[in-house]
Amino acid sequence: SQQGEEDPQALSIQEGENATMNCSYKTSINNLQWYRQNSGRGLVHLILIRSNEREKHSGRLRVTLDTSKKSSSLLITASRAADTASYFCATDRPSGNTPLVFGKGTRLSVIA
Amino acid sequence: DAGVIQSPRHEVTEMGQEVTLRCKPISGHDYLFWYRQTMMRGLELLIYFNNNVPIDDSGMPEDRFSAKMPNASFSTLKIQPSEPRDSAVYFCASSSTPTGSQPQHFGDGTRLSIL
Repeated sequence: SQQGEEDPQALSIQEGENATMNCSYKTSINNLQWYRQNSGRGLVHLILIRSNEREKHSGRLRVTLDTSKKSSSLLITASRAADTASYFCATDRPSGNTPLVFGKGTRLSVIA
Repeated sequence: DAGVIQSPRHEVTEMGQEVTLRCKPISGHDYLFWYRQTMMRGLELLIYFNNNVPIDDSGMPEDRFSAKMPNASFSTLKIQPSEPRDSAVYFCASSSTPTGSQPQHFGDGTRLSIL
């Protein structure tokens, strides 16, 4: 079954604004990752955050993790038209040597 | 370094035909994953390999689907016979681990259309 669910399903903002996407999951995790997918391309890894971490930054990206609420957020600051893409969260399953499970993604449109 | 390479990028074929999708993982990655992406179901894991051995094929939808990894640098996903509902984008990914402790690296996919 699907572990992570992104919210909202779609988001449209103006260039320069901040974009926030959320991911909720059902069971305990070890790691949570965020990926970007441009139209017609494969997924590209953005950030990995471990269950004992609360926040990570990478350039204009900021990821937070709240294990008590079983949720994560991805913030893109000062968005650009090139940030237009779908964004996915992916989580470990709670036990065992098992692969990532991906959510259905948030489609972000940044309007110039 | 080259990333994950998939071929063909696009495939259009008629129902009933055999379809073969190909993947070359990143050198040194011990794990290879095949995914299917559709609007309705999102990104689904079909099968994954560790050191060329299939570990979990529970996501393979039917016996019409088969996957092989004859060596560390090549894998195939076959559909025989193909059906219109198999139309989707198929991705291959590789990693040094099956879990979320390391990133997965994706190819650009094969867009498959079965008429």
